[in-house]
Amino acid sequence: NAGVTQTPKFRVLKTGQSMTLLCAQDMNHEYMYWYRQDPGMGLRLIHYSVGEGTTAKGEVPDGYNVSRLKKQNFLLGLESAAPSQTSVYFCASSWGLSRADTQYFGPGTRLTVL
Amino acid sequence: GQQVMQIPQYQHVQEGEDFTTYCNSSTTLSNIQWYKQRPGGHPVFLIQLVKSGEVKKQKRLTFQFGEAKKNSSLHITATQTTDVGTYFCAGDPLSNSGYALNFGKGTSLLVTP
Repeated sequence: NAGVTQTPKFRVLKTGQSMTLLCAQDMNHEYMYWYRQDPGMGLRLIHYSVGEGTTAKGEVPDGYNVSRLKKQNFLLGLESAAPSQTSVYFCASSWGLSRADTQYFGPGTRLTVL
Repeated sequence: GQQVMQIPQYQHVQEGEDFTTYCNSSTTLSNIQWYKQRPGGHPVFLIQLVKSGEVKKQKRLTFQFGEAKKNSSLHITATQTTDVGTYFCAGDPLSNSGYALNFGKGTSLLVTP
């Protein structure tokens, strides 16, 4: 099992460009999450999904959109990237029996917006 | 809003010294989890505490959940360089109507030989 994978691992964008980050999990988890991590700010939840076809906003959703068309995939989109979105992005998944389930994190995507 | 606060933000110790990080919630938690993130890595689950006053040990790591279920601590005895990383607590507030845990900002531990 690969667990949670993220692509790409690194990306540099110019302001105004768009991109999509892909998260995939092979554990048949119901819940999936997107976080961003900035120095001194910890993990901040961007969006999450409690099942295929459903998404919800987290703590810092502005400037991002998500889709969960397939249970195993959770996409994070940036329509018009801004320097403030320079960050490390982590995807996570959990079983979904409850929100207290252990979260399994992917290796992260390091994004720089110039 | 519901928050989980962690202190200290940073800790630098000599190898062999003890280390403690504290997690405090403004509301009662149903449970709390601890994660470790090595430098350049991703958070990895360490443990979950559910019961009031619960204490769990993993080798040199001791985890406690407060009697009121509003605070928790992680204590490392005789730190080693392999303990370097950021330790996060994540709480599940009883009153939370959402579907996600509340992560603390983490405590970054540096251990020098």
